[in-house]
Amino acid sequence: AQTVTQSQPEMSVQEAETVTLSCTYDTSESNYYLFWYKQPPSRQMILVIRQEAYKQQNATENRFSVNFQKAAKSFSLKISDSQLGDTAMYFCAFMKLNNDMRFGAGTRLTVKP
Amino acid sequence: ETGVTQSPTHLIKTRGQQVTLRCSSQSGHNTVSWYQQALGQGPQFIFQYYREEENGRGNFPPRFSGLQFPNYSSELNVNALELDDSALYLCASSYLAGPSTDTQYFGPGTRLTVL
Repeated sequence: AQTVTQSQPEMSVQEAETVTLSCTYDTSESNYYLFWYKQPPSRQMILVIRQEAYKQQNATENRFSVNFQKAAKSFSLKISDSQLGDTAMYFCAFMKLNNDMRFGAGTRLTVKP
Repeated sequence: ETGVTQSPTHLIKTRGQQVTLRCSSQSGHNTVSWYQQALGQGPQFIFQYYREEENGRGNFPPRFSGLQFPNYSSELNVNALELDDSALYLCASSYLAGPSTDTQYFGPGTRLTVL
């Protein structure tokens, strides 16, 4: 069974600084997808970034980038130039092809002015 | 915002009752997945529907059932409600084509409270 672990229940960062959220996962699959979703207090789960396991290059979306280490089964999210609007719960998720998505327990990120 | 909508926003039921939650998929998507998110936890996969057929199921009892309609809208039905069913229910739509899959886009959720 696939499991996703986020070891940091809460984190905080000063506005304009950089923060890294950690995620590890366990799977025997060789091909899969990894995601980071953001859930602000409005509850809407918003896609932040996606990584295909077969791609060696780390995904980047504007201020958000990942460090994908397939052998170590690690998938961390780096947020650069943090903004107040980045305050939210962040969920790491694993998905096999054509299958359900498994989420971690989440990391609550607070960006302080 | 995604094009996924859910109704109602909030719902209060009593133990033993039945509930139906609704989801309208994003245009062009043919797959819908449902998740249960208890307070302070990550979402848990309930099941997925693809072209009106169940296409995978998580560790939820049969009293959780679903439907997907030809227009790709969907319903989640829960019978014999229990207190532990109180949660945020999320639906997510995506496009499934052969062996590949696409990103799931989530609706805003329905908050269910069971008293």
